[in-house]
Amino acid sequence: DGGITQSPKYLFRKEGQNVTLSCEQNLNHDAMYWYRQDPGQGLRLIYYSQIVNDFQKGDIAEGYSVSREKKESFPLTVTSAQKNPTAFYLCASTDRGADTGELFFGEGSRLTVL
Amino acid sequence: KQEVTQIPAALSVPEGENLVLNCSFTDSAIYNLQWFRQDPGKGLTSLLLIQSSQREQTSGRLNASLDKSSGRSTLYIAASQPGDSATYLCAVSVDNYGQNFVFGPGTRLSVLP
Repeated sequence: DGGITQSPKYLFRKEGQNVTLSCEQNLNHDAMYWYRQDPGQGLRLIYYSQIVNDFQKGDIAEGYSVSREKKESFPLTVTSAQKNPTAFYLCASTDRGADTGELFFGEGSRLTVL
Repeated sequence: KQEVTQIPAALSVPEGENLVLNCSFTDSAIYNLQWFRQDPGKGLTSLLLIQSSQREQTSGRLNASLDKSSGRSTLYIAASQPGDSATYLCAVSVDNYGQNFVFGPGTRLSVLP
């Protein structure tokens, strides 16, 4: 089945550590996104990538980094510079060539800073 | 700047009721509008997508309508069931390049048995 796989589902981090969240998709989608979701708030865009080896900052990119070396993979690193990293992180993708522009999501990764 | 709001923020109904969730957006220049369902601790599941040229879409007990000129969409759920309990989010896309999706804060729905 085609879809988006995020791992790990739960992650605990000590302050000062960098952590990397994995996002893999087998939908052959060009565009991939990382969103952050906090209680009571809407989804906020961290980074997005339209094609391999290219990515753009979203609204809240500070303290995060990404890479897009393969079409199917878009990992997100939460660095120690991110002041409040405890949140639910969602990866998404869409087929830019499709007429609909439908957005698909993974199951999410919950990061907790101890 | 496009803004999306959803009213009500939370809704509790008895099983079997028909209900309507609302989504409003400030800029009518959208490419499409998508409704999602989110269960606690889970990702978003796409329910319905309405392209800007369409007025409505239906899937089973769900019907979504779009009025671009007034900046509104509604999600109608017929004969609600306890399994419909979840948070429902709407999102608008401003272009087909996938650069900009704007999400509403969601409506938390509880269907009581």
